[in-house]
Amino acid sequence: KQEVTQIPAALSVPEGENLVLNCSFTDSAIYNLQWFRQDPGKGLTSLLLIQSSQREQTSGRLNASLDKSSGRSTLYIAASQPGDSATYLCAVKDGGATNKLIFGTGTLLAVQP
Amino acid sequence: GAVVSQHPSWVICKSGTSVKIECRSLDFQATTMFWYRQFPKQSLMLMATSNEGSKATYEQGVEKDKFLINHASLTLSTLTVTSAHPEDSSFYICSALAVAGLIEQFFGPGTRLTVL
Repeated sequence: KQEVTQIPAALSVPEGENLVLNCSFTDSAIYNLQWFRQDPGKGLTSLLLIQSSQREQTSGRLNASLDKSSGRSTLYIAASQPGDSATYLCAVKDGGATNKLIFGTGTLLAVQP
Repeated sequence: GAVVSQHPSWVICKSGTSVKIECRSLDFQATTMFWYRQFPKQSLMLMATSNEGSKATYEQGVEKDKFLINHASLTLSTLTVTSAHPEDSSFYICSALAVAGLIEQFFGPGTRLTVL
């Protein structure tokens, strides 16, 4: 059974700092991995989607990497801003035909001004 | 990107009543939709997979008679929480599967259910 874990559970950094969020998964047979942002009481905003054949994706200040063989992904946020404060979730889509997403435990990020 | 809406965005109901939540794909057709629930400070847990024109597939531990899912059209799925109790209070989020080159789920904004 696929399990997805995120470390750390919570992170507080001063504005301007670069930071890395970690995601690990137990079954490397994934179709893709996706990073989401969730603001309090809101739905999910997709940030980056990495196909299993890719190693990284970039969007603005965000860079996500994927090492499928070791079951790890990282989300790098450059020059953090208070507006980046949110919960960040990673999710993997299994390689089977179900199209299910298995979500990680989330990292609550607070960027202090 | 594709847009998914949910209605209502929040609802408060008395214990014992039933509540219906709608999930709509606004600019694409979705043969498959998913329903998740999220407790405070926890991650999303998949409840069921909703397929247009057929019965939903429920995850282990989810009562199908408690959480009725209907996917009557390619743009609408509904989740009905029957005989709601306070422990059903949660944040319910739906997603719709889009298949256009890539296979990707697009998420609705969520529905906050509070059962008194």
